[in-house]
Amino acid sequence: EVLLLESGGGLVQPGRSLRLSCAGSGFAFNRYWIHWVRLVPGKGLLWVSRINSDGTIATYADSVKGRFTISRDNARDTVYLDMNSLRAEDTAVYYCARPVNPSGYDDDFFEFWGQGTLVTVSS
Amino acid sequence: QSVLRQPPSVSGAPGQGVTISCTGSSSNIGAGSAVHWYQHFPGTAPKVLIYGNSHRPSGVPDRFSASKSGTSASLAISGLQAEDEADYYCQSYDRSLGCWLFGGGTKLTVL
Repeated sequence: EVLLLESGGGLVQPGRSLRLSCAGSGFAFNRYWIHWVRLVPGKGLLWVSRINSDGTIATYADSVKGRFTISRDNARDTVYLDMNSLRAEDTAVYYCARPVNPSGYDDDFFEFWGQGTLVTVSS
Repeated sequence: QSVLRQPPSVSGAPGQGVTISCTGSSSNIGAGSAVHWYQHFPGTAPKVLIYGNSHRPSGVPDRFSASKSGTSASLAISGLQAEDEADYYCQSYDRSLGCWLFGGGTKLTVL
């Protein structure tokens, strides 16, 4: 069974940092690109970032570029999202998601999702 | 504001049908990017309902169907059931922005 499990969310003050983790199991983790998507209250789902299978290619939404960094440790079957200079508008439930195909096609859909981890940015 | 536009809400009585639209542009849906639809119940993981414009994964009832034309797509749900009450999102890839887009979501209420 394919499972994705996010962790690391919590309450953080504006301007501070937080690291989210996404642990995968039940599939060949090192073959798949992994994405982060967030559910923002009142705005719905927003794509955040993705990383390729060996961790050499990362892409970001404009809203987080320069503040968030995605990385992965395939020995631990885990993807990370380092979030710096957090803002109130980063408050969301953060999901990691695995596309249906290993090779990272742009037209892929997100076949598997984690349950999400809540990040609240507030003073 | 989402680049893919959906109505904020739709509603229908049990047994009736509803349609949810998803309007994009020439750089995403109109450029030939596939449209996918997700069903989301609060507190759970989103679930793919339709992929590749009109394909249903195994286990999704045939009450759910979707189509795409030009720069828009639509999700149709027939024979509404109380369990269909959820949020629905369309998703596509924008070839100009180089990123994945979701619609703003549509809350379906079964009256």
